[in-house]
Amino acid sequence: AQKITQTQPGMFVQEKEAVTLDCTYDTSDQSYGLFWYKQPSSGEMIFLIYQGSYDEQNATEGRYSLNFQKARKSANLVISASQLGDSAMYFCAMREGGRGSTLGRLYFGRGTQLTVWP
Amino acid sequence: NAGVTQTPKFRILKIGQSMTLQCTQDMNHNYMYWYRQDPGMGLKLIYYSVGAGITDKGEVPNGYNVSRSTTEDFPLRLELAAPSQTSVYFCASSRQGYTFGSGTRLTVV
Repeated sequence: AQKITQTQPGMFVQEKEAVTLDCTYDTSDQSYGLFWYKQPSSGEMIFLIYQGSYDEQNATEGRYSLNFQKARKSANLVISASQLGDSAMYFCAMREGGRGSTLGRLYFGRGTQLTVWP
Repeated sequence: NAGVTQTPKFRILKIGQSMTLQCTQDMNHNYMYWYRQDPGMGLKLIYYSVGAGITDKGEVPNGYNVSRSTTEDFPLRLELAAPSQTSVYFCASSRQGYTFGSGTRLTVV
């Protein structure tokens, strides 16, 4: 079974609007971490936001917020006030185990290509 | 502070050739990883290391080898290049957060 599922291959949003990128995950661990990365056309992986499974509040970082619904095993990324520079591929990833876990590998979804239009 | 440095950035190999992708980090991270990213796909783990002298296989290790003689360096070796190894390769290191290198785009022809 896929550990991380991103069901939207592509999304389009108009500049200044908000957009939600979906991510569901599968784990039997009680302690895990969820990450979102942005990959622009230049190819580098840019960290956006992190949510720990025991964090009570949804994570926020500037225009990025993570809508974490533990019971539904979803960790959707919300980008508010989209900008043209937000056009990129977005990846959801999960690390099983806590911050100090020796199982440090990340499982990635297939990504969502976001296009922001003027 | 350079972070994670990968070389080369681009390479074209002929089938059957060998090469080493270099990765070095200056953050004293114990954990290091090699991922590959195929077109339209997420990253898949090739090998990882939890410290100098310790390496282990990830999801897609066939055709690759690694070594970790120092904390800083984690080279990835392709012994007999095949077209299926055409991909973008990312090295990463972690303590709590993850730092990725800028990637190596490899084409095998």
